[in-house]
Parts: sequence; C-alpha cells; structure tokens
Amino acid sequence: AQTVTQSQPEMSVQEAETVTLSCTYDTSENNYYLFWYKQPPSRQMILVIRQEAYKQQNATENRFSVNFQKAAKSFSLKISDSQLGDTAMYFCAFMIKGAGNQFYFGTGTSLTVIP
Amino acid sequence: EAQVTQNPRYLITVTGKKLTVTCSQNMNHEYMSWYRQDPGLGLRQIYYSMNVEVTDKGDVPEGYKVSRKEKRNFPLILESPSPNQTSLYFCASSPHPGNYGYTFGSGTRLTVV
Repeated sequence: AQTVTQSQPEMSVQEAETVTLSCTYDTSENNYYLFWYKQPPSRQMILVIRQEAYKQQNATENRFSVNFQKAAKSFSLKISDSQLGDTAMYFCAFMIKGAGNQFYFGTGTSLTVIP
Repeated sequence: EAQVTQNPRYLITVTGKKLTVTCSQNMNHEYMSWYRQDPGLGLRQIYYSMNVEVTDKGDVPEGYKVSRKEKRNFPLILESPSPNQTSLYFCASSPHPGNYGYTFGSGTRLTVV
C-alpha cells in the first residue's frame, strides 16, 4: 500500500520568514511523481510544485522549493519570504508512474502566516 | 477560461435520496477523477477515468458510481446517500496527471441528513 505522511498538522510562520513543511511517503516503486498542493480558505486546490522521482535536482517555483531525498522517502516543501497569501492548507501527494491514475494525498498541514 | 466546473457547490439531502454531482471540463483532458476530503484524512480518491468509457475504482468507491460517456463530463452518482458520505467532494482533470498534476474544480459540500 502507498502512504503519504504529513506529521505537522499545524504550523505558523512570521511574514517574510522561511518555513519548511515535511512529507514522507512509503512505496516499493522506483518511478513516481510527487506534488505539493495548496488549499486556501476559498477551498480551491492549487498545484504548487511537482517533482519526478528520477530527477536528482530539486524542483523550484519562485519562492517555493522542495528538498527531495529519495532514499529517505522524504519530500519537504520550503516557502521563502512567506506572504499573507500563503496562509492555506498544504497537501503532499504522490502518484506511481505507469500504474493507472491513482493519486495518494497526505492529511495536510495548515499553515498560518502571521503579520 | 480553462476550468473544471462542478455543480452544485452546496447540497443538503436526506438519506436514501439519489443524487448526482456534475463535473465538466473544457480543456479536452483525457484523465478525470473524483475525490472526497474529510478533516484529518486529506483527500481520498473515489473513482478515476483515463478516457471515455474507461473508469476504475480508487481507494473509497463504496456507495458511489460514475460514468464517462463523453470526454468532458464525469458525473458522480450517489444512489442511496448515507450520513457517512457527508463530505467535501472535488472533481479534477488532467492531460497527464504525472506530468501536469490535476486541475481541480471548486468543490461540492454535501451534507446527508
């Protein structure tokens, strides 16, 4: 079974500071994709960043970057220069390559950016 | 505007009364999927579809049906809703989930009393 674990139910960060959200996953597969989604109070799900397991280089999207440690099965999200609009629930997700279409989500981390 | 449209946005119904939540995408995406979101459980996949007439079960399919007769539409059917199906439901679509992730609809808040 594939599982995704987000061990931090809630976090907070001061505006302009940096915060890291953790995510670990469990799979015996070697080829897969990893994602971070953001869900603001509007409840819309927004893709933040994506990583392919075979790529060593960590993905970056503006202020968002990941630390992908394949051996440790860890996929943390770093948000730099936090802004009030980053306040949201963040979900880590995982999909095995070539195995149909199943996405596995973690339970989420609620992030609050404090002015 | 490219989007996934779900209706209704909110729905309150009674136990046992059949209902359908509609989902439509205008991006010509092959893949579509339904999720439910519950506090402390994250999002769980109900059903997914890789193309017209091709559907498969996700992690929590019990009590739900889907159909994919046209590429753009992927309705979720609850034949006999029960209170444990009270949840926030999301429809999503993608040209290729691995390469692009999913684009989500705005969600349907369903309450079954």
